[in-house]
Amino acid sequence: QSALTQPASVSGSPGQSITISCTGTSSDVGGYDYVSWYQQHPGKAPKLMIYDVSNRPSGVSNRFSGSKSGNTASLTISGLQAEDEADYYCSSYTTSVVFGGGTRLTVL
Amino acid sequence: QVQLVESRGGVVQPGRSLRLSCAASGFTFSRYGMHWVRQAPGKGLEWVAVISYDGNKKYYADSVKGRLTISRDNSKNTLFLQMNSLRAEDTAVYYCAKDQMATIDYWGQGTLVTVSS
Repeated sequence: QSALTQPASVSGSPGQSITISCTGTSSDVGGYDYVSWYQQHPGKAPKLMIYDVSNRPSGVSNRFSGSKSGNTASLTISGLQAEDEADYYCSSYTTSVVFGGGTRLTVL
Repeated sequence: QVQLVESRGGVVQPGRSLRLSCAASGFTFSRYGMHWVRQAPGKGLEWVAVISYDGNKKYYADSVKGRLTISRDNSKNTLFLQMNSLRAEDTAVYYCAKDQMATIDYWGQGTLVTVSS
């Protein structure tokens, strides 16, 4: 149950696109299409943004997209907005759940 | 709409016990698995445990096996987390969360548990 690997921080200017990576192993990210992404603003509960690698829940902006290649999943946010500034976590779900260490997104 | 409301946490001494509860509404509780996830102050998310819709299957993180127990009462739409032999490293905000086919789709607001003498 080792944590998935994410960059500690990424940044971008309003209107730009950024990508956050999430690296696991063939036993988690690479072996199943059960990767999710969560957004968490300070002091708030996490919010589901992407599930099953690339699906968006109802109500989530289409500026958020997900993909996977091998043992690495990615979250891309296009047209960055100030309100996107938050922590982002990936997860992989088998019989248990493992999270990434989190990535702090700063909108410059 | 889905609502998950955790009971108040609090301060507990090392080695003591505490039981958290989570009241669910807005969905058919008995049809869904449920999770507990925690977050230590200033740290990332850590998955704690999951229980199947009927309570028959339970899985735990290695860090809590043998000390924390997840359970549910479908007649009362309530999820529980019994925490025994608490340690300083169990200090965290504990979130109750709803399972949806290999993802966690809804989270409670969280409750802070502080283990300290």
